[in-house]
Amino acid sequence: KAGVTQTPRYLIKTRGQQVTLSCSPISGHRSVSWYQQTPGQGLQFLFEYFSETQRNKGNFPGRFSGRQFSNSRSEMNVSTLELGDSALYLCASSFFPGGPANTGELFFGEGSRLTVL
Amino acid sequence: KNEVEQSPQNLTAQEGEFITINCSYSVGISALHWLQQHPGGGIVSLFMLSSGKKKHGRLIATINIQEKHSSLHITASHPRDSAVYICAVGGVMDAGGTSYGKLTFGQGTILTVHP
Repeated sequence: KAGVTQTPRYLIKTRGQQVTLSCSPISGHRSVSWYQQTPGQGLQFLFEYFSETQRNKGNFPGRFSGRQFSNSRSEMNVSTLELGDSALYLCASSFFPGGPANTGELFFGEGSRLTVL
Repeated sequence: KNEVEQSPQNLTAQEGEFITINCSYSVGISALHWLQQHPGGGIVSLFMLSSGKKKHGRLIATINIQEKHSSLHITASHPRDSAVYICAVGGVMDAGGTSYGKLTFGQGTILTVHP
């Protein structure tokens, strides 16, 4: 069974540019969550999606946005990049909430490492 | 004060030692996760707890809901256990059920096990 796939794995951008990151969840998983990891702030929650709807949002500026498609794949976008956006962006998938198969376990991708110059 | 506090921040052990990492939280939760992160970034979920105790191989996780405290124990530690261990709390209930993705993370414990 394929795991959570994130692309690209590494990317370099310059300030002011925008970036789109992709996350393909494990087959059958309909919830996708995104996280940012930096040396200074550690891991922080960005968004959670289920059935193409954003269920929860973390405390990030509007430059950070996301969406989920009908096949459960998700993308996140950061516009007008700042140096402080340099981070490892992780996504995780899980079974749909509320169902008997929902053990609460999260399955993480390897992450997309963004460097902003 | 952080909502999720882990201790210790750094831990060095000799192979075979019994290891304990602690996590205290100040928010109401319905789920607590223990995660493992190796160099390079990938995160693996070790346990998700809402009460009691779970065991998987040499790993044991416990949670005390009343005291808002959880511990991760590693018995017979091995150099391959060297990693960052992260406690995360969350679990948001709404009309759709419980979603587990909205998490608040501890700062992590860096574990190094020497042969």
